[in-house]
Amino acid sequence: EPEVTQTPSHQVTQMGQEVILRCVPISNHLYFYWYRQILGQKVEFLVSFYNNEISEKSEIFDDQFSVERPDGSNFTLKIRSTKLEDSAMYFCASSLIRQGGYTFGSGTRLTVV
Amino acid sequence: DQQVKQNSPSLSVQEGRISILNCDYTNSMFDYFLWYKKYPAEGPTFLISISSIKDKNEDGRFTVFLNKSAKHLSLHIVPSQPGDSAVYFCAASVRNEKLTFGTGTRLTIIP
Repeated sequence: EPEVTQTPSHQVTQMGQEVILRCVPISNHLYFYWYRQILGQKVEFLVSFYNNEISEKSEIFDDQFSVERPDGSNFTLKIRSTKLEDSAMYFCASSLIRQGGYTFGSGTRLTVV
Repeated sequence: DQQVKQNSPSLSVQEGRISILNCDYTNSMFDYFLWYKKYPAEGPTFLISISSIKDKNEDGRFTVFLNKSAKHLSLHIVPSQPGDSAVYFCAASVRNEKLTFGTGTRLTIIP
């Protein structure tokens, strides 16, 4: 069964450093998403991406965050200057159609120290 | 922001019996509802969804019921199996924009 692949599975970074979280969505999918889950809290929407542009973003997704689909297969989330409160599990997801259940990746655990 | 609530953090059910997971929402604009299952160290896995024009959707052992007047949905799993032990999240969206998730219910199936 096709899957969404995320790398790395765990990233530790120092506060103030830039991180890039990588995702390979399912190959024929058209809609791409990032969500995150801070330990003990809800899964929260960050951003959706379609047709090479952001279609929606949450208030969490401020100027420190950016997304890119640099080639036909990768979808990346960049955090420019990490803060302690960015520590969370980050999930990438993709879908073929707008309505329906997304396929989520296994997540990247980001720890900011 | 408590637009989607799962008031039971945990639920234990004997194998073979019915598991009923509940979810309440406050935003009347939600028109699409989903249930996801999550194992530790994995991403959420889509289980079943329902549009607001329906009140029931069934897929194998899983049935989702929607009561729009009560702003309540539930997931029924019957019969429950040990592999169903996981955290279950309900989620909702408006015109399939971003998903708003509940806090999850940990379901434990007792053999």
